[in-house]
Amino acid sequence: DTEVTQTPKHLVMGMTNKKSLKCEQHMGHRAMYWYKQKAKKPPELMFVYSYEKLSINESVPSRFSPECPNSSLLNLHLHALQPEDSALYLCASSRGTSGISYEQYFGPGTRLTVT
Amino acid sequence: DQQVKQNSPSLSVQEGRISILNCDYTNSMFDYFLWYKKYPAEGPTFLISISSIKDKNEDGRFTVFLNKSAKHLSLHIVPSQPGDSAVYFCAASSGGSNYKLTFGKGTLLTVNP
Repeated sequence: DTEVTQTPKHLVMGMTNKKSLKCEQHMGHRAMYWYKQKAKKPPELMFVYSYEKLSINESVPSRFSPECPNSSLLNLHLHALQPEDSALYLCASSRGTSGISYEQYFGPGTRLTVT
Repeated sequence: DQQVKQNSPSLSVQEGRISILNCDYTNSMFDYFLWYKKYPAEGPTFLISISSIKDKNEDGRFTVFLNKSAKHLSLHIVPSQPGDSAVYFCAASSGGSNYKLTFGKGTLLTVNP
């Protein structure tokens, strides 16, 4: 089983709203990631959690706030977003982040539109 | 500075023929390479990977070749099927910080029936 699930599939929010994206994996992976992908562009790394601790923040604005409640769950809290934040938000997981490289498995994404 | 390059934005092949997707990299610290397939409005799907200690890895219809001296890798799909039509991303990482995948811009493969 290499499934990463994400909810919701689509989200439309205003610039003053607060919303959250959710991601879940049951592969026993200890690393989880948030990516942002714009049309016709490759995924851009936002955050990395390793063993439930934030290990990488790729200089993401504070209006994006990640949270890892446990080893299977990853949330991305959104507040006061801008229209340019509209994109496909992808969650991924991998066995780990140290030692030899591990493949990252991606979820289907949440299509976010900020109005 | 684009460290992973996929110079062909698109490729069109006939069903049953071979598809060859190419990828070049500039960072000599990269030691692990991956290919992902992506359909519109879906997340990337992991296809196949290769470590720098190998020059070939095969999985069913998919084979990845790595030429370290040329800093070049390619993905061969044989035989190509219409369901293979998608965007293919090449990605690379370096062992010390393998959490970070550096992606190419992708190649749109169209397999015509």
